[in-house]
Amino acid sequence: GALVYQYPRRTICKSGTSMRMECQAVGFQATSVAWYRQSPQKTFELIALSTVNSAIKYEQNFTQEKFPISHPNLSFSSMTVLNAYLEDRGLYLCGARYTRNSDYTFGSGTRLLVI
Amino acid sequence: GDKVKQSPSALSLQEGTNSALRCNFSIAATTVQWFLQNPRGSLINLFYLVPGTKENGRLKSAFDSKESYSTLHIRDAQLEDSGTYFCAAEAASSGQKLVFGQGTILKVYL
Repeated sequence: GALVYQYPRRTICKSGTSMRMECQAVGFQATSVAWYRQSPQKTFELIALSTVNSAIKYEQNFTQEKFPISHPNLSFSSMTVLNAYLEDRGLYLCGARYTRNSDYTFGSGTRLLVI
Repeated sequence: GDKVKQSPSALSLQEGTNSALRCNFSIAATTVQWFLQNPRGSLINLFYLVPGTKENGRLKSAFDSKESYSTLHIRDAQLEDSGTYFCAAEAASSGQKLVFGQGTILKVYL
């Protein structure tokens, strides 16, 4: 079956520092990877969508300068939260899919706490 | 306004009873996914739908693209069904982006 491993599960970082999270697709080729943030109020915000061999598309309010993403091959993607502050707290989730006609499979999320 | 409106926002069910969750779309949804988020935050895939219906055990889901809604029916609710249910839709106009609803918090009690 299709699985996405995401790590770390939880991280605490000091205000102003950076942290990196990674996702590994197992059992399928992750042609597209979408990174989301779920706020404490439970709403999901799309940060960016990465498709292999295409430019990464960031949503409004999110930038490459703040959330650089790497998607170097069909099984791996990473995202860094640079210069994290309190408003960056939340659960970050990566979802991957093989084709436009397939479902997204999500990792277990990285919970970011900023102190 | 919200592109994916999910209802109800919260629901309590006695074990063994049935209920339905609903999502209404203000975008021209082409596919829908339903997820269960467990207390640890993991999103568990329940259904991936093009217009039509699917059934898996005590769960059944339908997606009507013309009427712009999707439903998730839970039959014979069990304690382990508790959690937050999310629908998410994809539209041609939004590229490959999944747009999530606000979630339904389900609590099943004895």
